Amino acid sequence: DIQMTQSPSSLSASVGDRVTITCRATQDINNYLAWYHQRPGKAPKLLIYDASTLQRGVSSRFSGSGSGTDFTFTISGLQPEDIATYYCQQYDALPPTFGGGTKVEVK
Amino acid sequence: QLQLQESGPGLVKPSETLSLTCTASGGSIDRSSYYWGWVRQAPGKGLEWIGSIYYSGNTHYTPSLKSRVTISVDTSRNQFSLDLSSVTAADTAVFFCVRHLNLPDSFDYWGRGILVTVSP
Repeated sequence: DIQMTQSPSSLSASVGDRVTITCRATQDINNYLAWYHQRPGKAPKLLIYDASTLQRGVSSRFSGSGSGTDFTFTISGLQPEDIATYYCQQYDALPPTFGGGTKVEVK
Repeated sequence: QLQLQESGPGLVKPSETLSLTCTASGGSIDRSSYYWGWVRQAPGKGLEWIGSIYYSGNTHYTPSLKSRVTISVDTSRNQFSLDLSSVTAADTAVFFCVRHLNLPDSFDYWGRGILVTVSP
């Protein structure tokens, strides 16, 4: 299985801050990477797919970049409603696998 | 707008079979070329894909659970189901049903999730 490693595991930032999360795969995943956020008690929501394509209806303050094995997710101006755990997921190979998550809190 | 809703018992005894159903509304399972799957999340833990079924009935399972998992589809009821046999406390989790276009792929629609506890 392809292992996905996210960092940091948690972070605290102020409203308006730029927030960056990284995700590393154990092998080249050809940009088949998605990002989700999961608010407490809710289902995950797809934010970005194919490493950098914004899902329809998702705020443009979310963005993704990267290629090969190293990827980055950015919130350009943190909002209170962004309190959530963020997950990356690869879908280059079966089984699809998720990172361990990054818990984002607002100071 | 597609909606997915999980249903089933919230408590299952060890060694028994966990059975869940996902009902789709706002879209037809058999009229679209999508996969329908299950993802679980143990309490306080990350996400794990369990398996998926194509609308035509072909199934794919994660290797670690393959011997205990069956996913089926009932197009007449617009539902698909998960059976997980010989459960233990380690199977306690929130189970989400999901939709995706390719295999593998990102998951664009999720149900709200259902907590299933394995306990005597």
